Amino acid sequence: EPEVTQTPSHQVTQMGQEVILRCVPISNHLYFYWYRQILGQKVEFLVSFYNNEISEKSEIFDDQFSVERPDGSNFTLKIRSTKLEDSAMYFCASSRRLAGGSTDTQYFGPGTRLTVL
Amino acid sequence: GENVEQHPSTLSVQEGDSAVIKCTYSDSASNYFPWYKQELGKGPQLIIDIRSNVGEKKDQRIAVTLNKTAKHFSLHITETQPEDSAVYFCAASVTGGFKTIFGAGTRLFVKA
Repeated sequence: EPEVTQTPSHQVTQMGQEVILRCVPISNHLYFYWYRQILGQKVEFLVSFYNNEISEKSEIFDDQFSVERPDGSNFTLKIRSTKLEDSAMYFCASSRRLAGGSTDTQYFGPGTRLTVL
Repeated sequence: GENVEQHPSTLSVQEGDSAVIKCTYSDSASNYFPWYKQELGKGPQLIIDIRSNVGEKKDQRIAVTLNKTAKHFSLHITETQPEDSAVYFCAASVTGGFKTIFGAGTRLFVKA
């Protein structure tokens, strides 16, 4: 069964450094997402991406965040200058295009644990 | 803004008993309601979903019910097993939209 994969599984960085989290969505999916989960809390939506542009973003997704689909398989989340409060699990998800152009079920990757020191 | 409330936060049951988790959503435009199971150190895994054009859906030991008028939806697990122990998240979204709003999660313990 196809799966969303994410690398690395754990990233440790110093405050102020840039990090790039990588995801390989399910191959025939066209919609891509990033979510984060601070330890013990709910999963929070960050951003969705379709047709090479952001389709929706939350208030969490400020100017220090960016997303990119650099090639036909990868989807990345960049945090430009990490802060202590960015420490969390970051989940990538993808979904397929339904007839009529909509989408629904999102499939999640295993996550990247980001630790900012 | 959109919100999904989930109760209880923790649920402990004896193996073989049933477990029920309840959620309420605020956005009346929501029409797609997935349930995810998250095991320690893993990402959320879809276990069942329901769309607003049906009131109930069942898959073996798992069932979901939806009351659109009250904006309530529930997960029912029957004949619970120790491997059902995990955190369960309800969620709500709009088909054609992109954002999925998650509940706060229910930690289910199934005691052998």
